[in-house]
Amino acid sequence: AQTVTQSQPEMSVQEAETVTLSCTYDTSESDYYLFWYKQPPSRQMILVIRQEAYKQQNATENRFSVNFQKAAKSFSLKISDSQLGDAAMYFCAYMGGSQGNLIFGKGTKLSVKP
Amino acid sequence: ETGVTQTPRHLVMGMTNKKSLKCEQHLGHNAMYWYKQSAKKPLELMFVYNFKEQTENNSVPSRFSPECPNSSHLFLHLHTLQPEDSALYLCASSLSRQGNQPQHFGDGTRLSIL
Repeated sequence: AQTVTQSQPEMSVQEAETVTLSCTYDTSESDYYLFWYKQPPSRQMILVIRQEAYKQQNATENRFSVNFQKAAKSFSLKISDSQLGDAAMYFCAYMGGSQGNLIFGKGTKLSVKP
Repeated sequence: ETGVTQTPRHLVMGMTNKKSLKCEQHLGHNAMYWYKQSAKKPLELMFVYNFKEQTENNSVPSRFSPECPNSSHLFLHLHTLQPEDSALYLCASSLSRQGNQPQHFGDGTRLSIL
């Protein structure tokens, strides 16, 4: 069975600085997708970034980028120029390439200090 | 605004009550999901509907009864719940069940069982 592990329950970053959130996963599939979701106190789960496993190039979305290491089964999220609005729970998630289910990690609570 | 609307936002009920949670999406999506989010635990997938047909029931107790009358609406009927059922219930939708179609989430219903 696939599993997703986020080893950092909480992280803190100074405004305008860079922070990296860790995520590892376990799977025997070769075709899959990885996601980072953000959940602010408003509770809405918002898709931040997505990575297809068959793509070697790391996905980027403005200030958000990932470091996808397929052999190591690692999928970390880097947030550059952190802003106060980035404070939230961040969830790493995995989905198999066929009709699979979205499997989430336990989340990392990110605080941004002014 | 993600296009997925959940009502009510908060719900407090006794263990003998019957209530329903509602989810609505007008994104043209064909798949809809119910998740349970408890403190300190990863999101748990409860039910999946694809083209109005239930395709997955993740060993959910029968006191939770889903209903999908059409591709735009999803309900979760609640009856004789237990205190451990107190949690945030999230609804999501996606164009299809495949991994290249991300899931869009609602704001959730915060459920408290007295």
